[in-house]
Amino acid sequence: DIVMTQSPDSLAVSLGERATINCKSSQSVLYSFNNKNYLAWYQQKPGQPPKLLIYWASIRESGVPDRFSGSGSGTDFTLTISSLQAEDVAIYYCQQYYSTPGTFGQGTKLEIK
Amino acid sequence: EVQLVQSGAEVNEPGESLKISCKGSAYNFTNYWIGWVRQMPGKGLEWMGIIYPGDSDTRYSPSFRGQVTISVDKSISTAYLQWSSLKASDTAMYYCARVAVAGTWYFDFWGQGTLVTVSS
Repeated sequence: DIVMTQSPDSLAVSLGERATINCKSSQSVLYSFNNKNYLAWYQQKPGQPPKLLIYWASIRESGVPDRFSGSGSGTDFTLTISSLQAEDVAIYYCQQYYSTPGTFGQGTKLEIK
Repeated sequence: EVQLVQSGAEVNEPGESLKISCKGSAYNFTNYWIGWVRQMPGKGLEWMGIIYPGDSDTRYSPSFRGQVTISVDKSISTAYLQWSSLKASDTAMYYCARVAVAGTWYFDFWGQGTLVTVSS
């Protein structure tokens, strides 16, 4: 299985400031034949199912605010929230879908400072 | 609007069998893989397995193979997750989710979750 490791485990950021969450895979999730990174990001708020934010490492899902962005390639990826809003308090997960099982990172808890 | 509606919360004793369900609507259920994800209390997400309703092709995570069975009844647009003998360690929230694109394993729509509690 590909192991996904997120950092930090928790993060406190002031409203309006930038939040950055990192995700590292144990092997590359870049598929050479199509040059796509098989990496997604989800947001999970308390008592709710996860919500897809980003896929192909950098493509925002429809309806996701543009303050959310994804970057990276190969084994190292980043989710950035450019200006933190109160409603962004949640746990964020990365997931690789390069191979089955489509393993998730352990999650990063984002709070307001 | 695409929806996945899961069956209600369950409370069972160790050793009992259980089958929970996930009904899809507002899309062609047969053409999209459906997956199951476990979330133990206070923990992260674990990819359990996926099934293709069109031909019941099923892929399991090695961690869950032999522990659960994933099945589907495409005539009623419903996927299932079942246990033959529950353990206390099966206590968790279980989500079904739709795979966004065939050949990838990320999920674009999620069910509301089914809480399974196993306790004597």
